[in-house]
Amino acid sequence: DAKTTQPNSMESNEEEPVHLPCNHSTISGTDYIHWYRQLPSQGPEYVIHGLTSNVNNRMASLAIAEDRKSSTLILHRATLRDAAVYYCILRDVQNAGNMLTFGGGTRLMVKP
Amino acid sequence: GAVVSQHPSRVICKSGTSVKIECRSLDFQATTMFWYRQFPKQSLMLMATSNEGSKATYEQGVEKDKFLINHASLTLSTLTVTSAHPEDSSFYICSANPGETYEQYFGPGTRLTVT
Repeated sequence: DAKTTQPNSMESNEEEPVHLPCNHSTISGTDYIHWYRQLPSQGPEYVIHGLTSNVNNRMASLAIAEDRKSSTLILHRATLRDAAVYYCILRDVQNAGNMLTFGGGTRLMVKP
Repeated sequence: GAVVSQHPSRVICKSGTSVKIECRSLDFQATTMFWYRQFPKQSLMLMATSNEGSKATYEQGVEKDKFLINHASLTLSTLTVTSAHPEDSSFYICSANPGETYEQYFGPGTRLTVT
């Protein structure tokens, strides 16, 4: 399975943008880049996903490098409720179907 | 959005007893559900894939006789931890995909404490 590398933790100030990086240098052509986040004592929730082009939704933006070996999740204005562990996951639709393999994630701390 | 529920949300049991955890997809049908385990300050680890009407597929290192999975209907999968021991204490989370969507929906988790 293609692996992802994320910083263990990051800090942000409330109402400022946050850029969460993810490296996936061994990504294959059939891997989608997914981001999930897990708030304390809850199950993960979907944030965003993409394949090649940058993506925007109501929660965040996903910027994907041209060579697809890295991506960045962008929270435009961090709030205290965004404090969570953010997981960058590669999903191989062809070979693994709906299965998700979680790495260590990045623990985002938001300061008021 | 789609909702996945789990019951119970937390359970405490004595060592040697069995505990059943239910995972339900409330507003969609799921032929496949996934069971994860998460120890404190660690990431989620996939335990098994639950398949409706057939046997579950277990990840390497997960004992199928200890963690019994039953996916009897398109909206319900159960995980039974048999002869539980303190080292089985963990946060158990299930998930499912509604049809062909890309999003996987996770349950709120069940915290199991074995005394």
